[in-house]
Amino acid sequence: DGGITQSPKYLFRKEGQNVTLSCEQNLNHDAMYWYRQDPGQGLRLIYYSQIVNDFQKGDIAEGYSVSREKKESFPLTVTSAQKNPTAFYLCATLIQGPNYGYTFGSGTRLTVV
Amino acid sequence: AQKITQTQPGMFVQEKEAVTLDCTYDTSDPSYGLFWYKQPSSGEMIFLIYQGSYDQQNATEGRYSLNFQKARKSANLVISASQLGDSAMYFCAMREALYNQGGKLIFGQGTELSVKP
Repeated sequence: DGGITQSPKYLFRKEGQNVTLSCEQNLNHDAMYWYRQDPGQGLRLIYYSQIVNDFQKGDIAEGYSVSREKKESFPLTVTSAQKNPTAFYLCATLIQGPNYGYTFGSGTRLTVV
Repeated sequence: AQKITQTQPGMFVQEKEAVTLDCTYDTSDPSYGLFWYKQPSSGEMIFLIYQGSYDQQNATEGRYSLNFQKARKSANLVISASQLGDSAMYFCAMREALYNQGGKLIFGQGTELSVKP
């Protein structure tokens, strides 16, 4: 059945390393989003993409990069320039329908060690 | 400026009682949508209820209802007959320019609800 798959569920990164978080969807949704969530906080938008080969910065894009080569995939790279990357990362797609809301993946918890 | 405000960091409710989670919003766009999501400790975001700015009636979904007061820019979530499984973080969110493709959801800081047996 359709959904969003985020992998890995847990990820550990050494300081100075780049890591890539995977987000794959089989919902045939055009728009995809990456959010960051810190403990006890709301979600903040990192990047989003409305169509293949196009993406826009969100509110906290510094230290992150994305690509959208396929409709199904929207990977997020956390670069060494991101000074405080430890957080919970959620990927979402946009529901086309009566409530125009989001479908979320189950998230990736990134920890810097 | 904060677009979505949830003023209750934490709330307690007795099992089987009703509880109201507050949410106020700020927008000048006439076309917007308001959403409530539940986030249990597992981290997944579960969609609960939606209210469009043009909807005449308050939204309801089972035990969830949304008390939409447009003039006051508030969209409070009411959970009736609370259950232990309702213990979670609850987020209010807004999407402006509702009918434009690729709109962004803006989230509040969340309210942590604890249901007591």
